[in-house]
Amino acid sequence: DTEVTQTPKHLVMGMTNKKSLKCEQHMGHRAMYWYKQKAKKPPELMFVYSYEKLSINESVPSRFSPECPNSSLLNLHLHALQPEDSALYLCASGLSGRGPEAFFGQGTRLTVV
Amino acid sequence: DAKTTQPNSMESNEEEPVHLPCNHSTISGTDYIHWYRQLPSQGPEYVIHGLTSNVNNRMASLAIAEDRKSSTLILHRATLRDAAVYYCILRTIYGASGGSYIPTFGRGTSLIVHP
Repeated sequence: DTEVTQTPKHLVMGMTNKKSLKCEQHMGHRAMYWYKQKAKKPPELMFVYSYEKLSINESVPSRFSPECPNSSLLNLHLHALQPEDSALYLCASGLSGRGPEAFFGQGTRLTVV
Repeated sequence: DAKTTQPNSMESNEEEPVHLPCNHSTISGTDYIHWYRQLPSQGPEYVIHGLTSNVNNRMASLAIAEDRKSSTLILHRATLRDAAVYYCILRTIYGASGGSYIPTFGRGTSLIVHP
């Protein structure tokens, strides 16, 4: 199994809503990442978890709250988002400290209305 | 982190070879060169990586200049399914020894394949 599974695939939420994005992998990877991708732009790193601990936060606003409940799961909790937060949110995983590859999910297309 | 420079877009005809260039003049001796691609409406996928020697795998070949200041991703026979944005990335390592390899993406090259 070389898949990173993200749910939901599409999400529309209001600015006052609270929602969560989920990411799951069963490859034994101990590093997991969240990226944000706006249209026609490259993915931008948001957060990195290594061995279930947050190791990188790229100055992301607090309305985005990551969580790593266990080594296979990564969540991104969303609250009070703005329309400019509409984007494709990508989850990825990799072998922490080893291996050149990161495996990406298909992403969640988020629209904030 | 050392930066990479790629053309914004390239075009190819189906079943012809494609050479996608990448300049990385400030590469350090321990930087690996990685390539990822992102097909429309999908997440990026790993293509190939190398350090000094040329590399081949089932997807592509990677040719690295002797001075390592540039590299070329070679698709031997382009298909319509190869139409994607191709990213050339130098290895970024964060954290304690061992660290986590974290792809940091530049703008990439959008490859258009004509039937």
